[in-house]
Amino acid sequence: ETGVTQSPTHLIKTRGQQVTLRCSSQSGHNTVSWYQQALGQGPQFIFQYYREEENGRGNFPPRFSGLQFPNYSSELNVNALELDDSALYLCASSLGITGSNYEQYFGPGTRLTVT
Amino acid sequence: AQSVAQPEDQVNVAEGNPLTVKCTYSVSGNPYLFWYVQYPNRGLQFLLKYITGDNLVKGSYGFEAEFNKSQTSFHLKKPSALVSDSALYFCAVRDGSGGGADGLTFGKGTHLIIQP
Repeated sequence: ETGVTQSPTHLIKTRGQQVTLRCSSQSGHNTVSWYQQALGQGPQFIFQYYREEENGRGNFPPRFSGLQFPNYSSELNVNALELDDSALYLCASSLGITGSNYEQYFGPGTRLTVT
Repeated sequence: AQSVAQPEDQVNVAEGNPLTVKCTYSVSGNPYLFWYVQYPNRGLQFLLKYITGDNLVKGSYGFEAEFNKSQTSFHLKKPSALVSDSALYFCAVRDGSGGGADGLTFGKGTHLIIQP
C-alpha cells in the first residue's frame, strides 16, 4: 500500500508569483485535505476535496484554490504569493468524510519559501 | 467553531517514567479527536483517534488516550517513556456533527522531551 506523497519537497518563489503543489492520495482514499503549517504552529485547514469536489474550506482567501482528479490526486494552487505564505504545506487523505473513514494520513509536506 | 488547547509548550520526562501530554477541546457537536506526532522536517504521523465507543483509546507505539466528556479533555499517555518518543505532538478535533465539510483543527503542539 502506497502512502501519501507530495511534490516538490522544497521550492522557493518570489512574491507575486504563482505556485502549484501536488499530492497523491493513499490507495483507496477518495478524500484529500490541504493544510498550511507555519513555523512553530499547528497545521491550519485550507480546504478539502471529496470525490473531485471542494466540500469544505477554512479561513483562507480565494487565491488559494485546488483541484482533485479522477484518480483522487490533488493540486493546491496559490496565486499572488505573499511573504506570509511561506510555510510547510501538508496534504492528507482519508477513506471518506464521516465517522471512522475520516482517519487522515499525511504526506511529508512541501516546504514553500517566498522571498 | 471548534478549538483545541495544548497548555504545555514542552513536557520533560525521564526515560522509563509515565508520560502525559494534555489536550482540551471545544466543539459544538460530537467531537472526533485525534493525536498526531511530528518528527523534524517530516509530516504528521497518526497515533490514535476517538470517534465513539470506549473512552480509553489505544494507539500506535504503546500510546493511549482517555476521552473525558465532562472535562472536554483527551490527554495522551504512555506508561513507560522511551527516548525515541521525543517529538512534537499535536492534538486535533473535528465536529462529527458537521456533515463532513470540516477539516481538523489542531492545537499548537507540545514538545515532548524524554531524558535518558
